[in-house]
Amino acid sequence: DVVMTQSPLSLPVTLGQPASISCRSSQSLVYSDANTLLHWFQQRPGQSPRRLIYKVSNRESGVPDRFSGSGSGTDFTLKISSVETEDVGVYYCMQGTHWPFTFGQGTKLEIK
Amino acid sequence: EVQLVESGGGLVQPGGSLRLSCVASGFSFRTYWMSWVRQAPGQGLEWVTYINPDGSEKFYVDSVKGRFTISRDNAESSLYLQMSGLRVDDTAVYFCTRAPRNLDYWGQGTLVTISS
Repeated sequence: DVVMTQSPLSLPVTLGQPASISCRSSQSLVYSDANTLLHWFQQRPGQSPRRLIYKVSNRESGVPDRFSGSGSGTDFTLKISSVETEDVGVYYCMQGTHWPFTFGQGTKLEIK
Repeated sequence: EVQLVESGGGLVQPGGSLRLSCVASGFSFRTYWMSWVRQAPGQGLEWVTYINPDGSEKFYVDSVKGRFTISRDNAESSLYLQMSGLRVDDTAVYFCTRAPRNLDYWGQGTLVTISS
């Protein structure tokens, strides 16, 4: 199985400061159609996960532009340019290239 | 608006069975791959299974193979998960999700608790 390794697992951030989460995969995530199926999800407390970023760097409709995704191959990053209160929650990366699809362990973002 | 509404969760004894349902609306259900993802209490997300649009292809994570069966009724825009031989470690919120490789929409989840 493809192992997705996120870091850090805990991320205390001061309001208005940037935040960055790393996600590394044990294999390349380039799919047969040349897309890289690496996505980022946010799960706020008590809510279902929602997709923030799809295929590495595409922001979901309605997601603030302070969120951005980057990376290639096996190394990916989610960045928040200026953290707001509503960003508190757990962030997961996920690969949809190799079955079984797998998630990272999750990164818990909290306000310092 | 895309909506996925799960039901069928509850408390079951180890070894028991349960059938989860997910009713979809707001999109052409019969054209989408669909899937189930679960989350144990306080834990991360785990893939369970997915199914192709006409129900002829099904994929399962090893831990549920032979115990869980995914199915769908396109006429009813419904997705199902038949679970048998339930174990304590199957305790989780089960989410119905669309487009397995991309997971663009999630339901609110239904809680399955396995306990004696």
